[in-house]
Amino acid sequence: GDSVTQMEGPVTLSEEAFLTINCTYTATGYPSLFWYVQYPGEGLQLLLKATKADDKGSNKGFEATYRKETTSFHLEKGSVQVSDSAVYFCALRRSGGGADGLTFGKGTHLIIQP
Amino acid sequence: DAGVIQSPRHEVTEMGQEVTLRCKPISGHNSLFWYRQTMMRGLELLIYFNNNVPIDDSGMPEDRFSAKMPNASFSTLKIQPSEPRDSAVYFCASRPGQGASGELFFGEGSRLTVL
Repeated sequence: GDSVTQMEGPVTLSEEAFLTINCTYTATGYPSLFWYVQYPGEGLQLLLKATKADDKGSNKGFEATYRKETTSFHLEKGSVQVSDSAVYFCALRRSGGGADGLTFGKGTHLIIQP
Repeated sequence: DAGVIQSPRHEVTEMGQEVTLRCKPISGHNSLFWYRQTMMRGLELLIYFNNNVPIDDSGMPEDRFSAKMPNASFSTLKIQPSEPRDSAVYFCASRPGQGASGELFFGEGSRLTVL
């Protein structure tokens, strides 16, 4: 079945450091890929998405590129801030559309220290 | 616009009691999803509805769990009887029609503690 694998956390960085959170997936066809962010006590919010190979999603300084050849969708940010501290989830939706849900990774807890 | 609304935000109950979680999806969204989040298992899809019809309930852990969607603006997830291992955060999410990119819109969750 479909699956998403993320690097284990927590990831602790200093403010203004470069961030990479790795995400790889297993799925048939050409899934759509997503990054969601969850702040403490809140629900998940879409951060960015990509729907086909080589697409780059970007939002709030975060970027991720859909790499079909390596089945990856790594999240990057050039200079993190304390306010970026949250849990980040990589997710996929199988190709073909339909009403099925998203398959999520287990999440990566990011801690940014001032 | 109002987002997905869930209630209650927090529920503490004793083992054996019935628990009902409620969800109001975003108006106009055709699909509704119930997820459970735990530290050990992460986010698990329990069940989803399309146009108020349950499509896949294979993620429902056992017969103690049931979900309904009587109309387009309301869904419930019921656990009867509840057990301590049901303690988790339960999220409801909705999605626009089938032509959409797949993004889900999540509520803030209902944190359930079963003692």
